Amino acid sequence: SAVISQKPSRDICQRGTSLTIQCQVDSQVTMMFWYRQQPGQSLTLIATANQGSEATYESGFVIDKFPISRPNLTFSTLTVSNMSPEDSSIYLCSVEGQLSPTEAFFGQGTRLTVV
Amino acid sequence: AQSVAQPEDQVNVAEGNPLTVKCTYSVSGNPYLFWYVQYPNRGLQFLLKYITGDNLVKGSYGFEAEFNKSQTSFHLKKPSALVSDSALYFCAGRSGGYQKVTFGTGTKLQVIP
Repeated sequence: SAVISQKPSRDICQRGTSLTIQCQVDSQVTMMFWYRQQPGQSLTLIATANQGSEATYESGFVIDKFPISRPNLTFSTLTVSNMSPEDSSIYLCSVEGQLSPTEAFFGQGTRLTVV
Repeated sequence: AQSVAQPEDQVNVAEGNPLTVKCTYSVSGNPYLFWYVQYPNRGLQFLLKYITGDNLVKGSYGFEAEFNKSQTSFHLKKPSALVSDSALYFCAGRSGGYQKVTFGTGTKLQVIP
């Protein structure tokens, strides 16, 4: 299994500002995933982050709005830029184990409220 | 495209009674299927998975799930529900390897004392 630490756990931000969410894993992993869970809804994949290359974004998500860094095999950041109230969600970091196939492990999530 | 469906937004069950949370999938090839639970203000916790082998998979906290290929279903079950089982349950699936995981819409389980 993998232990994932995500910071901050929650934040309240003003519209128009940006927030960077950090994800730290206790072991080296190839891919890290960022999800969004809007209130009362399921998880939607934002992007997949590989170390040493640009993140791969899902349809409906763009790098300018959600820039991602992956400087090494244990760490990644997701920035929510120029926030609006519609960005209020839980953002979750996820990794897969190094042996395939396996389940995904999730951080505790960052609950973001934009006012 | 792969998809996972959870037809029930909410399931209510009396404490001590058996519970079932339904899930159907549409995944190409051999499906890898998962159940996760989410408690309020928490991340997702892994319950169990089906990769191959026995159709009945046992997981954490007394939960189990039955893989039914002909009905493309992977229902979550527990013989005797506890109030502490009340949470949001997500079914998820993928076609294997390091492919993207698709989540269902979630089912809120309410266990009534």
